[in-house]
Amino acid sequence: NAGVTQTPKFRVLKTGQSMTLLCAQDMNHEYMYWYRQDPGMGLRLIHYSVGEGTTAKGEVPDGYNVSRLKKQNFLLGLESAAPSQTSVYFCASNAGGGTEAFFGQGTRLTVV
Amino acid sequence: ELKVEQNPLFLSMQEGKNYTIYCNYSTTSDRLYWYRQDPGKSLESLFVLLSNGAVKQEGRLMASLDTKARLSTLHITAAVHDLSATYFCAVLAMNRDDKIIFGKGTRLHILP
Repeated sequence: NAGVTQTPKFRVLKTGQSMTLLCAQDMNHEYMYWYRQDPGMGLRLIHYSVGEGTTAKGEVPDGYNVSRLKKQNFLLGLESAAPSQTSVYFCASNAGGGTEAFFGQGTRLTVV
Repeated sequence: ELKVEQNPLFLSMQEGKNYTIYCNYSTTSDRLYWYRQDPGKSLESLFVLLSNGAVKQEGRLMASLDTKARLSTLHITAAVHDLSATYFCAVLAMNRDDKIIFGKGTRLHILP
């Protein structure tokens, strides 16, 4: 049982490049979330989804886009990477209604 | 807008001592999470508190929720070095948004 899997685990981008982070869950969860973690800032919610085909903005959505075309996958896109987007990105999923949320292993992204 | 505050943000304590981490939040909610994170690792779920007055215990950790005071506590009894980690609380926004918002975390360092 894989749970929540993030791809890739590490990535280095040049300023202005684009990339997509993939989050896949095999628990048939309705809700999925993307967070970024920076030192001293905790986890900040970027975007989230409450079901296939839906997306919503979180606390820090600027510079990111997301898509949830399939229930099991939640994609996070950076169209034009900036050094301020250097961070560790975590994906999470749950069944909604305040149920336990499970996290992926994280993606460490560096923008130079 | 939901805000989640933890204190202290950093705690250094001796083995064998007791201590409490506090989590305050700004809007109505009765769903609260506690997570543990070890350096370089993902988040591990500790507790999900689902109602006012909820109390959960696992080993030397006990979590409680007071929804009227908008306060949760994580109590550590007779701390041991293995409990050194960063602890996060997170709160479910109780509106149509269903966002999960995190505090900044409490970095706990237990001295032998």
